[in-house]
Amino acid sequence: SQQGEEDPQALSIQEGENATMNCSYKTSINNLQWYRQNSGRGLVHLILIRSNEREKHSGRLRVTLDTSKKSSSLLITASRAADTASYFCATPNDYKLSFGAGTTVTVRA
Amino acid sequence: DAGVIQSPRHEVTEMGQEVTLRCKPISGHNSLFWYRQTMMRGLELLIYFNNNVPIDDSGMPEDRFSAKMPNASFSTLKIQPSEPRDSAVYFCASSFGGAGLNGELFFGEGSRLTVL
Repeated sequence: SQQGEEDPQALSIQEGENATMNCSYKTSINNLQWYRQNSGRGLVHLILIRSNEREKHSGRLRVTLDTSKKSSSLLITASRAADTASYFCATPNDYKLSFGAGTTVTVRA
Repeated sequence: DAGVIQSPRHEVTEMGQEVTLRCKPISGHNSLFWYRQTMMRGLELLIYFNNNVPIDDSGMPEDRFSAKMPNASFSTLKIQPSEPRDSAVYFCASSFGGAGLNGELFFGEGSRLTVL
């Protein structure tokens, strides 16, 4: 299985602070994706980083990928209350995506 | 664009009853996935369709579960008979080309099933 594993399981931060979460995976990949899930909602794609990329930015999101360590990190800068959600990394295995257990982020006002 | 549409959003039923969950993927997408989400097991892929054909149903728990995709704009997931352990949120997702190529799955809002 190429399921990613997120760390930490849960994170509580103050509004304005940065949030960092990590993902480790098991086998070679051609891309890694991050998704967000707000409570009671479906998953929303945030960002995709390809295996030949080391870092990617999208607004307040920064993703890194280290294929030698089989790990990725997601950084949310200047967090807002609206960032409260669960964040999942996902790795493709051919046509399908395998998801980790997720990191639950709570942003306190 | 309406996104992936699932119905019903919530379903409460009694053990032994038949449950049918419905999904309308995004127009033009040729890949459709059914996932199940529980606290204990996280997100599990149940079945994958490509061009309306089931390609991988290895994640379907048992014969009580069945899925169909009669055309490119509609899919159903049926549980018959339902059991309390089937209680979960069931997600439908669609994409063009599958996750391994361009990535990005588009998820519906899910159907929360409670079996009493």
